[in-house]
Amino acid sequence: DARVTQTPRDKVTEMGQEVTMRCQPILGHNTVFWYRQTMMQGLELLAYFRNRAPLDDSGMPKDRFSAEMPDATLATLKIQPSEPRDSAVYFCASGLATPPGNEQFFGPGTRLTVL
Amino acid sequence: GQNIDQPTEMTATEGAIVQINCTYQTSGFNGLFWYQQHAGEAPTFLSYNVLDGLEEKGRFSSFLSRSKGYSYLLLKELQMKDSASYLCAANRDDKIIFGKGTRLHILP
Repeated sequence: DARVTQTPRDKVTEMGQEVTMRCQPILGHNTVFWYRQTMMQGLELLAYFRNRAPLDDSGMPKDRFSAEMPDATLATLKIQPSEPRDSAVYFCASGLATPPGNEQFFGPGTRLTVL
Repeated sequence: GQNIDQPTEMTATEGAIVQINCTYQTSGFNGLFWYQQHAGEAPTFLSYNVLDGLEEKGRFSSFLSRSKGYSYLLLKELQMKDSASYLCAANRDDKIIFGKGTRLHILP
């Protein structure tokens, strides 16, 4: 059955290391979102793509975060260098269009811990 | 999260009805989502309201008033499996902005 997949599911790393998270959207979906979730801030939109083009990445710290879609089946979120405050669950979601805001399907998330 | 307000926690009894309210900033507003998130899992879509009024889907209903910047999620015949966080999210200026969620506890 169609679902969004994310790898890795869990990542523990040390401060200063590079972290790359990957997402495979549902086949045929043309919009991909990256979110970060913490207890304090809730679910925050980091970036999103439509037809592989970045539409908005204003929620992302530009100095250390980067998001790309090298092809329609892969989205990546990279943090370099990582910091303890980056510890969170990172979700990828895909959908068919926004607006008018069709349903987004979320992946299982990557739980990142930066020591 | 950017002027989307919902209660932090609520408690209700199995079999009862509960209403979770959400208020949002109306500028650039296009529509209102509700998502359910169980602990340790990803959010799952419940509803999307664009027009004023009530939309019913089984035990869950969602209401929207665009002029008041107000929505609610109504859960009927509560079951233990409804214990989860419920996230309100506004589609605003081509962005989806989430509230911090309401953690709903169901008592037997």
